[in-house]
Amino acid sequence: EPEVTQTPSHQVTQMGQEVILRCVPISNHLYFYWYRQILGQKVEFLVSFYNNEISEKSEIFDDQFSVERPDGSNFTLKIRSTKLEDSAMYFCASSETPGHHYFGPGTRLTVT
Amino acid sequence: AQTVTQSQPEMSVQEAETVTLSCTYDTSESDYYLFWYKQPPSRQMILVIRQEAYKQQNATENRFSVNFQKAAKSFSLKISDSQLGDAAMYFCAYRSMIYNQGGKLIFGQGTELSVKP
Repeated sequence: EPEVTQTPSHQVTQMGQEVILRCVPISNHLYFYWYRQILGQKVEFLVSFYNNEISEKSEIFDDQFSVERPDGSNFTLKIRSTKLEDSAMYFCASSETPGHHYFGPGTRLTVT
Repeated sequence: AQTVTQSQPEMSVQEAETVTLSCTYDTSESDYYLFWYKQPPSRQMILVIRQEAYKQQNATENRFSVNFQKAAKSFSLKISDSQLGDAAMYFCAYRSMIYNQGGKLIFGQGTELSVKP
């Protein structure tokens, strides 16, 4: 069964550094999403992406965040200058239609 | 804006018994999807079951079934014959059918289910 993959599984970075989280969605999917989950809290929507542009973003997704689909297969989330509060699990998801999401295994980001 | 509420932070069930996890939501829309996701310690998000709001019949998936009460905006998950592997965090989620909203999921706070042998 096809699956969404994410790399790295765990990223440790220093405050103020830029990080890029990578996702490979399922190949025929058209809708892509990033969510984050701070430890012990609920999963929060960050951004949705369709047709090479952002279709919706949350209040969390400020100017420090950006997304890109650089080569037709990868889907990346960049955080320009990380803060301590960015420490969380970041999930990528994709869907064929705005239907049910297929989630990746997540990237655990630790900002020190 | 839509909201999803899970009022039970933790639940416990004896192996082989049945447990029901509660979820309520608020929306002004008439068409939407509802989901239950399971998150084991690995933190992978696994779809358990989904329900289309326009369907009156409650969804079932093996030992998992839902009680969907549209008028009451309630969407509970029943796990029958609980197994040790069912121990996990369970999240209820809502998705609008309005396509220009991008199809995002709105999650509840989660219910941590433990299963006692």
